[in-house]
Amino acid sequence: QKEVEQNSGPLSVPEGAIASLNCTYSDRVSQSFFWYRQYSGKSPELIMSIYSNGDKEDGRFTAQLNKASQYVSLLIRDSQPSDSATYLCAVIILTGGGNKLTFGTGTQLKVEL
Amino acid sequence: GAVVSQHPSWVICKSGTSVKIECRSLDFQATTMFWYRQFPKQSLMLMATSNEGSKATYEQGVEKDKFLINHASLTLSTLTVTSAHPEDSSFYICSASTRVRTDTQYFGPGTRLTVL
Repeated sequence: QKEVEQNSGPLSVPEGAIASLNCTYSDRVSQSFFWYRQYSGKSPELIMSIYSNGDKEDGRFTAQLNKASQYVSLLIRDSQPSDSATYLCAVIILTGGGNKLTFGTGTQLKVEL
Repeated sequence: GAVVSQHPSWVICKSGTSVKIECRSLDFQATTMFWYRQFPKQSLMLMATSNEGSKATYEQGVEKDKFLINHASLTLSTLTVTSAHPEDSSFYICSASTRVRTDTQYFGPGTRLTVL
């Protein structure tokens, strides 16, 4: 089982719709969760972090965390073509060498006009 | 705030040569810096973690003698790919975290290395 799993997509949504991106993780004791956006050929950009169960909103973005289900999601409201990118879920996982930020393979989002 | 730069942004070199990549935190002190590698269509893979003034900790499968990491100050870390080969061609990305927010990493823009 992969430590952080995401559907690779592509996920296609029309402009103005809500895009829902999902992520599951394997380490039950993980406490820190992040969503990064990566445009093609560029490095990841931090969108949101979340540490507590429930929802966290920042502008058009809402992160949702459910530790019991080991599930974290990202909702993008009023999706824009500029939101088209790969979204990486990342989780701090405790390893023998200490805490490590572990990435999923990313979900490609396409927002269509 | 929390800006990380990398230099160069891209480099092309001949097989067998060494390439140095610099990573700088511009507006904060980076107690820890990380080096990642990303192959096309794949996610980021951590190569090593370095703390200022101490030796880097390498991930399993990463050759420390091939990928030399130096974290000489709180704002600068370098990665040297020694005797580069075509299979080392990849997108190398550094990130940095602070003493205050140790779990949040700020990424540099990346360096695309092509070895001919």
